Amino acid sequence: DTEVTQTPKHLVMGMTNKKSLKCEQHMGHRAMYWYKQKAKKPPELMFVYSYEKLSINESVPSRFSPECPNSSLLNLHLHALQPEDSALYLCASSQVPSTDTQYFGPGTRLTVL
Amino acid sequence: GESVGLHLPTLSVQEGDNSIINCAYSNSASDYFIWYKQESGKGPQFIIDIRSNMDKRQGQRVTVLLNKTVKHLSLQIAATQPGDSAVYFCAERDGQNFVFGPGTRLSVLP
Repeated sequence: DTEVTQTPKHLVMGMTNKKSLKCEQHMGHRAMYWYKQKAKKPPELMFVYSYEKLSINESVPSRFSPECPNSSLLNLHLHALQPEDSALYLCASSQVPSTDTQYFGPGTRLTVL
Repeated sequence: GESVGLHLPTLSVQEGDNSIINCAYSNSASDYFIWYKQESGKGPQFIIDIRSNMDKRQGQRVTVLLNKTVKHLSLQIAATQPGDSAVYFCAERDGQNFVFGPGTRLSVLP
């Protein structure tokens, strides 16, 4: 199994809503990542989890809150988002941090109204 | 700051021809590079990688060339097919992260 799965595929939310994005991998990878990708732009790193601990937070606003419940799961909790937060949110994993290729999920297309 | 970039934002090639997608990087200390393919509505898909101790690496129909002297990376696709139409990103390892270039859209003409 070389797949990273993400749910939901699409999400529309209002600025006062609370929602969560989910990511799962069963490859035994110990590093997991959240990226944000705007249209026609490359992915931009948001967070890195290394051995289930947050190791990098790229100055992401606190309305985005990551969580790594175990080595296979990664969540991104969303609260009080702004319309400019609308984007494709990509999850990735790698066998170990920094030394290995990152494998990406299909992404969640988020629209904030 | 240092960044990874691409020379051409779009590239159109005839089906069956070879494609060459270029990437310039500025961090001379970078030791690992990846090419990703991203189709519409999907996440980036790993194509091929290369470490800085190599100049060339070949895969199935793809070749990556690394020129450390001028800090240039290229992806060559042989016998380009309609299914190769996508955005291609080079990525450069920076600590625990990969920094992506701006991407090149490859369009394959029938």
